[in-house]
Amino acid sequence: SQKIEQNSEALNIQEGKTATLTCNYTNYSPAYLQWYRQDPGRGPVFLLLIRENEKEKRKERLKVTFDTTLKQSLFHITASQPADSATYLCAPSGAGSYQLTFGKGTKLSVIP
Amino acid sequence: SQTIHQWPATLVQPVGSPLSLECTVEGTSNPNLYWYRQAAGRGLQLLFYSVGIGQISSEVPQNLSASRPQDRQFILSSKKLLLSDSGFYLCAWSDGDSAYEQYFGPGTRLTVT
Repeated sequence: SQKIEQNSEALNIQEGKTATLTCNYTNYSPAYLQWYRQDPGRGPVFLLLIRENEKEKRKERLKVTFDTTLKQSLFHITASQPADSATYLCAPSGAGSYQLTFGKGTKLSVIP
Repeated sequence: SQTIHQWPATLVQPVGSPLSLECTVEGTSNPNLYWYRQAAGRGLQLLFYSVGIGQISSEVPQNLSASRPQDRQFILSSKKLLLSDSGFYLCAWSDGDSAYEQYFGPGTRLTVT
């Protein structure tokens, strides 16, 4: 069965450093992969989508990579700020499918 | 711009009581609609999705059902709640024609006692 693993449940990082979150998947060949941010008690917010034929995608301080050989996506936040503290979810999906399977998320804490 | 509404925000219901959660979307037409549940300490679980009026696909057989009586209205129901139905229920929409990203509502926190 499909399995999605996000590297750790919690990650603490010093303000100003680059945070790197990992999403690994098995028994799966997604055509695209999305990243969302979720704050406590709120719904997830879409951040970035990357397709299988794209190696890298950027949006402001965010960068996502997608390695279909390693079956892995990396999510980077550069110059991290305390306001970046949240849980980040990855969600791969198949071609033509609107259904998303979410990882359990990584809770990022940026320490001032 | 598009807006998604969910109500109520919180709900406490006894075991065996019925449930009705409503979700509406504004500013778009023919969206794909989704119901998710997030239980404590667990990830988001897709419960139902709909690509059109009256078209419902169930992902997980359980005590819940969904209906889509209008294009931008999605309802989650149960005839008799179980303790295990407690959780954070989220409605989401996506552009059915062109986009895969999903936009979530504020959620309903359901506690079954």
